[in-house]
Amino acid sequence: QVQLVQSGAEVKKPGASVTVSCKASGFTFTNYFFHWVRQAPGQGLEWMGQINPTGYGTIYAQKFQGRVTMTKDTSTSTVYMELSSLTSEDMAIYFCARDSNYYAPDVWGQGTLVTVSS
Amino acid sequence: QNVVTQEPSFSVSPGGTVTLTCGLSSGSVSFKNYPSWYRQTPGQAPRTLIYTTSTRSSGVPDRFSGSILGNKAALTITGAQADDDSEYYCLLYMGRGTYVFGPGTKVTVL
Repeated sequence: QVQLVQSGAEVKKPGASVTVSCKASGFTFTNYFFHWVRQAPGQGLEWMGQINPTGYGTIYAQKFQGRVTMTKDTSTSTVYMELSSLTSEDMAIYFCARDSNYYAPDVWGQGTLVTVSS
Repeated sequence: QNVVTQEPSFSVSPGGTVTLTCGLSSGSVSFKNYPSWYRQTPGQAPRTLIYTTSTRSSGVPDRFSGSILGNKAALTITGAQADDDSEYYCLLYMGRGTYVFGPGTKVTVL
């Protein structure tokens, strides 16, 4: 079935970087863009950016430019999101989501909790 | 910077109808923003309800409908059920490949 499976929870120190992976299955990976969305504790959803698996196209929200890198591995149908210079404000659940090809995510990963603590 | 707006909360009785809206602090929402809607319960990933203003995602019951009302996108729940008690988010395409979520509306069914 169509699904996105994300990597497990991470605990990082302030100033470190974290990489979250998202493995796709059940559909043709290269036919879809992928979004990354995060949600801080008790807060709403925040769009971080998107990646085009067929090329080098990435678009990041202005807030994260310079600190986020989204990449892909077509051979394993996996997209990655790396966030650097972590602070306590980056503590959140990070979701990957497949774009429906209609300007909206339609399939979501289960989420990955990132904790930032010294 | 254009901010997406949503009502903080709504209450609806079981079987009732509620309309949530999604606007912009500066300007109008149109079909060119490709409005989409998501429902999320605590501890769960979001579920896509509506995309491109009014198209229901696969498996979404027809009591959910999307539209443009005036200068805002709207999500209407007709015949609310207990499990519609959730947080609802809209997402707008802002051009140049960028998107912004609204702050969410908490719908209580009681």
